[in-house]
Amino acid sequence: EPEVTQTPSHQVTQMGQEVILRCVPISNHLYFYWYRQILGQKVEFLVSFYNNEISEKSEIFDDQFSVERPDGSNFTLKIRSTKLEDSAMYFCASGDRGPRGKLFFGSGTQLSVL
Amino acid sequence: QKEVEQNSGPLSVPEGAIASLNCTYSDRGSQSFFWYRQYSGKSPELIMFIYSNGDKEDGRFTAQLNKASQYVSLLIRDSQPSDSATYLCAVKKNRDDKIIFGKGTRLHILP
Repeated sequence: EPEVTQTPSHQVTQMGQEVILRCVPISNHLYFYWYRQILGQKVEFLVSFYNNEISEKSEIFDDQFSVERPDGSNFTLKIRSTKLEDSAMYFCASGDRGPRGKLFFGSGTQLSVL
Repeated sequence: QKEVEQNSGPLSVPEGAIASLNCTYSDRGSQSFFWYRQYSGKSPELIMFIYSNGDKEDGRFTAQLNKASQYVSLLIRDSQPSDSATYLCAVKKNRDDKIIFGKGTRLHILP
């Protein structure tokens, strides 16, 4: 069964450093997303991406964040200068179509900012 | 008012009984409704989706939607210890790409 894959599973970084989280969405999906979940809290939307551009972003997704689809398979989230409060589980998701499309999640990257 | 509300639980249900999980949403423009299961430390796993008023059954799971009351529920029949998890209600508006999650209800099935 096709699945969304994310690497790395864990990432430890120093405050102020840049990190890149990587995702390979399901191959025939066109809609891509990043969500995050701080320990004990709800899953929060960060950004959606379609047709090689951001289609929607939340207030969390400020100028420190960027997304890119550098080739036909990868989808990345970059945090330019990490803060302590960026520590969370980051989930990539992909969807098969728009308005009623279901989202399928990767296994996540646990980011720890020290 | 929160966009998607769920009772955080924990909800304790004896093995073999029916577990009933509830969710309300605030935006009447919402069109798609999902239930995800999340085990501790794992990612959300889609288990049910529903678009129309009424019931939708899939195996031991039944999703119920009442758009007039802005209410979604999930019934799990013949509950098993492996059903112990957090169940996330999620909602999508047609004009949006994203889905919005509730905080989730922790379900504990008692052996």
